[in-house]
Amino acid sequence: KNQVEQSPQSLIILEGKNCTLQCNYTVSPFSNLRWYKQDTGRGPVSLTIMTFSENTKSNGRYTATLDADTKQSSLHITASQLSDSASYICVVSEATGTASKLTFGTGTRLQVTL
Amino acid sequence: DTEVTQTPKHLVMGMTNKKSLKCEQHMGHRAMYWYKQKAKKPPELMFVYSYEKLSINESVPSRFSPECPNSSLLNLHLHALQPEDSALYLCASSQPWAGARTDTQYFGPGTRLTVL
Repeated sequence: KNQVEQSPQSLIILEGKNCTLQCNYTVSPFSNLRWYKQDTGRGPVSLTIMTFSENTKSNGRYTATLDADTKQSSLHITASQLSDSASYICVVSEATGTASKLTFGTGTRLQVTL
Repeated sequence: DTEVTQTPKHLVMGMTNKKSLKCEQHMGHRAMYWYKQKAKKPPELMFVYSYEKLSINESVPSRFSPECPNSSLLNLHLHALQPEDSALYLCASSQPWAGARTDTQYFGPGTRLTVL
């Protein structure tokens, strides 16, 4: 069964600090891995997308890494801001015909405080 | 325009009501999705439409009835729902899968549904 596990479940950091979120997956056949940010009560917004051949991808203060051999990914947030408070979801895609099928992690709830 | 819109934003309905959720995108995507998300849980896939045809139904109860009238619109018709169906309903769209980079799913803001 395809699974995506994330750690930690929740995290509280001070504004301006860095943090790293982890994702382990067992999804086959692997297509790509994305990190989404979801504010409470809103739809997820894509931050990064990586295929098996990519090791790292940046989007502003967000940097994602992927190790396709160990099936691990991380999301590093630099110089955190209060607006970074949200759930961060690791999502792995498997190709199924003409539409993608996603396996979602349970997310890491990040709270950035003063 | 990378926007997926959903209406209404909030919906409260009784167990005997019939209502519909609507989703619209103008990105030319030919795959559209309905997800259900309970609080503090990841989204759960309900239905997938590809080229306006239902391609995946994740064993969803028949009280949820999807419809894709054209390539830009996706509806979810609701009838005789239960209180446990209360959740955030998310719509998403993507290009049909033609390689790893083309299937990024864009999500709408969701409809917050409460069943009394």
